[in-house]
Amino acid sequence: DTEVTQTPKHLVMGMTNKKSLKCEQHMGHRAMYWYKQKAKKPPELMFVYSYEKLSINESVPSRFSPECPNSSLLNLHLHALQPEDSALYLCASSQSQGPETQYFGPGTRLLVL
Amino acid sequence: GENVEQHPSTLSVQEGDSAVIKCTYSDSASNYFPWYKQELGKGPQLIIDIRSNVGEKKDQRIAVTLNKTAKHFSLHITETQPEDSAVYFCAARTSGTYKYIFGTGTRLKVLA
Repeated sequence: DTEVTQTPKHLVMGMTNKKSLKCEQHMGHRAMYWYKQKAKKPPELMFVYSYEKLSINESVPSRFSPECPNSSLLNLHLHALQPEDSALYLCASSQSQGPETQYFGPGTRLLVL
Repeated sequence: GENVEQHPSTLSVQEGDSAVIKCTYSDSASNYFPWYKQELGKGPQLIIDIRSNVGEKKDQRIAVTLNKTAKHFSLHITETQPEDSAVYFCAARTSGTYKYIFGTGTRLKVLA
């Protein structure tokens, strides 16, 4: 089973709202990732968690706050977003942070009004 | 910095024909090269990958070739079907790093 699940599938929020995206995997993977993907572009890495600790932050604005409550779950907390943050947010996981295959979830389509 | 160029950006083929997508990477230390297929409204799905110690890998209608000297790798899809229509991304990853460097994507259309 190589499934990564994400909820919600779609999210519309105002610039003053607080919302969270959720990601779950049950493959025993110890590295989890958040990506942002704009239309017709490749995914852009935002954060990497390795063994439930944040190991990489790709200079992402503080209005995005990641959290890894346990080895199977990854959250992305959103606050005071801008319209340009509208995008597809993808979660991925891999066995470790090394040269391992990353498996992507279906994404959350976010629209910021 | 590290870069992966991908060509063509769009590709239309007749059903049953072959499709080839090419990528060139800049970092000679790259050692892992996955290919992802992304259908509309979905996340990228791994379809095949290759490591730097292998020159070619096949999986049914899909094959990937790697030329380390030229720093090229290519995706070959034979006997294309309408369900192969999607955006395809190549990526390269360097040993000791966490990060994939993605190509810019190829939109493949298979015409019935």
